[in-house]
Amino acid sequence: DQQVKQNSPSLSVQEGRISILNCDYTNSMFDYFLWYKKYPAEGPTFLISISSIKDKNEDGRFTVFLNKSAKHLSLHIVPSQPGDSAVYFCAAPSGGYQKVTFGTGTKLQVIP
Amino acid sequence: GAGVSQSPRYKVAKRGQDVALRCDPISGHVSLFWYQQALGQGPEFLTYFQNEAQLDKSGLPSDRFFAERPEGSVSTLKIQRTQQEDSAVYLCASSLAGGSSYNEQFFGPGTRLTVL
Repeated sequence: DQQVKQNSPSLSVQEGRISILNCDYTNSMFDYFLWYKKYPAEGPTFLISISSIKDKNEDGRFTVFLNKSAKHLSLHIVPSQPGDSAVYFCAAPSGGYQKVTFGTGTKLQVIP
Repeated sequence: GAGVSQSPRYKVAKRGQDVALRCDPISGHVSLFWYQQALGQGPEFLTYFQNEAQLDKSGLPSDRFFAERPEGSVSTLKIQRTQQEDSAVYLCASSLAGGSSYNEQFFGPGTRLTVL
């Protein structure tokens, strides 16, 4: 059972435009959410997080939105840059916040 | 650099061989995690240590998988009698502390295991 789902395996966006990456979850016990970014041959790196007590968290060009009633979150990148081209994973910690469940990832390509 | 390092970066094993994968966490990090990432999938949790204690091994897929962290620093993931379905990237991560809130996990580059 996939508790964190990313239904779009890939996304292409023009440089300067907005990238929107979506994520759905099924476990209503999740109360904290993460986005990780991964370049080829590297490990994932933490990007941004959001607590379930908030519906938005912003960090520079990156904003994460959380809709608890829909069990949906999204990552907005604006403006998108070629260096943003990577695989983005949505994730949620559980098990005392030590066990992280990842989605399958969305590969973002930003076209110059 | 002072990041998480893993060795070897690539490992090819014949089916039935035993393999050992090493993880050097960031110095001073209390918690250490192992994940398995199959092709086209996200990382899947295998096991978690706080210092030398293995607190959660619920993700280990079979008793062929064994992890240890005897001195609370370096960790080794051992896979006995490897099978083709063990082919994956094995990621190690460390975090500063455990406890009742999320602490950012810093990932190493992974070891790509191919079982022929």
